[in-house]
This record gives sequence, structure tokens and C-alpha cells, in this order.
Amino acid sequence: QKEVEQNSGPLSVPEGAIASLNCTYSDRGSQSFFWYRQYSGKSPELIMFIYSNGDKEDGRFTAQLNKASQYVSLLIRDSQPSDSATYLCAVRRFSGSARQLTFGSGTQLTVLP
Amino acid sequence: DTAVSQTPKYLVTQMGNDKSIKCEQNLGHDTMYWYKQDSKKFLKIMFSYNNKELIINETVPNRFSPKSPDKAHLNLHINSLELGDSAVYFCASSLTGISYNEQFFGPGTRLTVL
Repeated sequence: QKEVEQNSGPLSVPEGAIASLNCTYSDRGSQSFFWYRQYSGKSPELIMFIYSNGDKEDGRFTAQLNKASQYVSLLIRDSQPSDSATYLCAVRRFSGSARQLTFGSGTQLTVLP
Repeated sequence: DTAVSQTPKYLVTQMGNDKSIKCEQNLGHDTMYWYKQDSKKFLKIMFSYNNKELIINETVPNRFSPKSPDKAHLNLHINSLELGDSAVYFCASSLTGISYNEQFFGPGTRLTVL
């Protein structure tokens, strides 16, 4: 079982729709959860982080965390073509004295104009 | 004002060669990382240094040797390059003590081994 699992997609949604990206993780000791966006040929950039159960909203983005189900999701409202990218879920746990991020393999999102 | 920079951006080399990638950050961060991203976009931690001390050393071939001369620099030397080493290598940095510990990534170095 992979530590962090995401559907690889591709996920296609029409412009203006809600895109829903999902992620599950295996380590119950995981503490913080991150969503990174990576455009083709570019480096990952952080768009959301969450560490408490429930929802966290930032503009058009909402992160949802359910630690009991070991599930974290990202909703993108009013999707725009500029949202087309690969979205990487990352989970932080302690590894000895270090805070280590473990990434999923990403979900490729395409927003169709 | 590049926050995390890497050189070179592209590296094409033959099997068996030795090569180095350099990383520098001007964010005042104290922790730096090397990640490898394969063709399937899977981003995997390789090493991490905190204040020049190696704190994460994942299972990678010992042909890979990181070196951090100071907090702002982290280099990666690869000996006897193999075809499977072809990937994009990302450097990242972060500041400990911040609750969410955001990692900022460099632009990546695309390594192609022929």
C-alpha cells in the first residue's frame, strides 16, 4: 500500500464547474496535509495546507480533512482553464527529528473552456 | 529575485559519468531538501539538511552524495550515472519553527542519462 494515494486522472471538468481531488494516506501518525499545484515543466507550489479535521477555505479552494477516514480532499470552485495542472497531495510526519513530506503521485486536472 | 535556484537547469550526460547539481536559497531558511521526480510525476524525498546537518537520508544508492557547505547551499553529486537516474531533481527549502513548514521548490534540474 502506498503511503499517499491519489487518482492519477486525468480529471476533466468544464470551466466554471467544481473540481474535486481526493487523497488517502496510510500513516495515522500524519499530522499535516498539503496540496501543491504543479504546472507542466514547472516546480510544485503550495496552495493549501490543513491540519485540523473539517474544512478550510481560501478563495476558490477548499481543503477537507477527515483523520478518522485518513482522507483529505481539495475542491476547486468555479474552475478556470488556468487551474489545469497536476495537483500533488503531501502528508507530513516526523521521521526521527525531521519533518518529512511524503507526496502522492498527483492528479492531473484539465479544465475545459 | 530567485528564492531557490538550481544549476544547471538541464543536464544531458552519458552513462558512467559523474555530475553535480547545485542549489542555493536566499530565503534565510535553515532546512534544505533534494527530491527526485520521475516520469510519472512521483516526487520522492532523497535527502534533507538542517543547519548543515543531514537529517533525512532515504534509501538511495550511495552513488548519490549530498553536501551542504552552509545553510544556504545544498549540492548533489552523482557518481557512475545510470539510465534510471534520468529524472527531474528538485531542491527545496523551508524554515523550521513555522507550524505549516512550507517548502519552497527550486525550478528543477532535468537530468537525462544516455
